[in-house]
Amino acid sequence: GENVEQHPSTLSVQEGDSAVIKCTYSDSASNYFPWYKQELGKRPQLIIDIRSNVGEKKDQRIAVTLNKTAKHFSLHITETQPEDSAVYFCAAGKLTFGKGITLSVRP
Amino acid sequence: NAGVTQTPKFQVLKTGQSMTLQCAQDMNHNSMYWYRQDPGMGLRLIYYSASEGTTDKGEVPNGYNVSRLNKREFSLRLESAAPSQTSVYFCASSEGLAGRDSGANVLTFGAGSRLTVL
Repeated sequence: GENVEQHPSTLSVQEGDSAVIKCTYSDSASNYFPWYKQELGKRPQLIIDIRSNVGEKKDQRIAVTLNKTAKHFSLHITETQPEDSAVYFCAAGKLTFGKGITLSVRP
Repeated sequence: NAGVTQTPKFQVLKTGQSMTLQCAQDMNHNSMYWYRQDPGMGLRLIYYSASEGTTDKGEVPNGYNVSRLNKREFSLRLESAAPSQTSVYFCASSEGLAGRDSGANVLTFGAGSRLTVL
């Protein structure tokens, strides 16, 4: 089955800086790669996703890049704000999730 | 439009007791899922259902049973609860067919059910 790993497990950045969270997957046949955000005590919610025929996708301050050859995709958050503090999950294949990364944005 | 509704939100059980978590969605989605979330373990799939009357095992199905009652409802049953089943349980639904690697499988999650087994 699919194996999804996220790096690093925690990340702390200063408000206004950029944050990059990387996700690797094992199944080269996977075609769909979403990112979910979970704020403390809340449910996970989709923030951005990408399909295998696209290398990059942007939505305001967030972007996702995909490298199918290396089997990894990354979440980029620019101009981070305190409300970006949350756990971020990537997923691949038949919705196998990584273990999550805790992002803390210091004011 | 409530989305995905789970009940109960909190439950405390004793070891060996049974209970059922209920989930309903009003988005006419085809697929429904049950995940558990434990600290440091992410979201792990317990069971999923691609359509009414069908269910499939996920990553951690042992100790659980499910029932897809109709298109709207998908329940999770613990027949004999164990402390290892202490967790937060999330129900989710998607428009696409579960088990397929597809962008139509954007998940909408319920608010979660926190279960403690003593």
